[in-house]
Amino acid sequence: QVVLTQSPSASASLGASVKLTCTLSSGHSSYNIAWHQQQAGKGPRYVMKVNSDGSYIKGDGIPDRFSGSTSGAERYLIISSLQSEDEAAYYCQTWDTGIRVFGGGTKLTVL
Amino acid sequence: EVQVVESGGGLVQPGGSLRLSCVASGFTFSNYAMSWVRQAPGKGLEWVSVISDRGSKTYYADSVRGRFTISRDNSKNTLFLQMNSLRVEDMAVYYCAKEVGNYGGNSGGWFDYWGRGTPVTVSS
Repeated sequence: QVVLTQSPSASASLGASVKLTCTLSSGHSSYNIAWHQQQAGKGPRYVMKVNSDGSYIKGDGIPDRFSGSTSGAERYLIISSLQSEDEAAYYCQTWDTGIRVFGGGTKLTVL
Repeated sequence: EVQVVESGGGLVQPGGSLRLSCVASGFTFSNYAMSWVRQAPGKGLEWVSVISDRGSKTYYADSVRGRFTISRDNSKNTLFLQMNSLRVEDMAVYYCAKEVGNYGGNSGGWFDYWGRGTPVTVSS
């Protein structure tokens, strides 16, 4: 079964850029993933789907500051020009027939 | 505007039952698979169950299989989760999520819209 690994925390300064990483387990490097944002006290929000070829599809209303990329078994969420409202937990998610899997989440702090 | 709104959460004793509902609007409900996802206090997201667009296929996480039942009423744009034999470890906020695909398989299995959640407390 596929496993997704994320660092528990990340931080960056206001106005800077940050790159969050989601790593697919061995044998699953061709899987696509989705990123979801969860601000404190709120429900999750779909950010984007990142494909194994590095292309990505963003959700409704997601700013241009958000982008995605791929390298091997790693899928990235890149946020540029960080704003205070970007402070949130970010979860990657993947899927197979009859199962959906989440990574443990990365808590992003904007300094 | 796409919306999914959960209800039915509350306080229940261990071993008890609860039925959650999720009413959808703003999209053709019968064309999409739907999932339940939960989040225990201070923890990450955990997928619970998915149902195909017509309700013919259902899948469950190992942690709830045999105790929870997912279903849907497409005439009422409503998704359900029947939870039986509840345990303390089932205590969480339960979210309803719309999938991009229709059958719960390996295509379109990500979530593009989420609800705000309904809290379930399991305690004596």
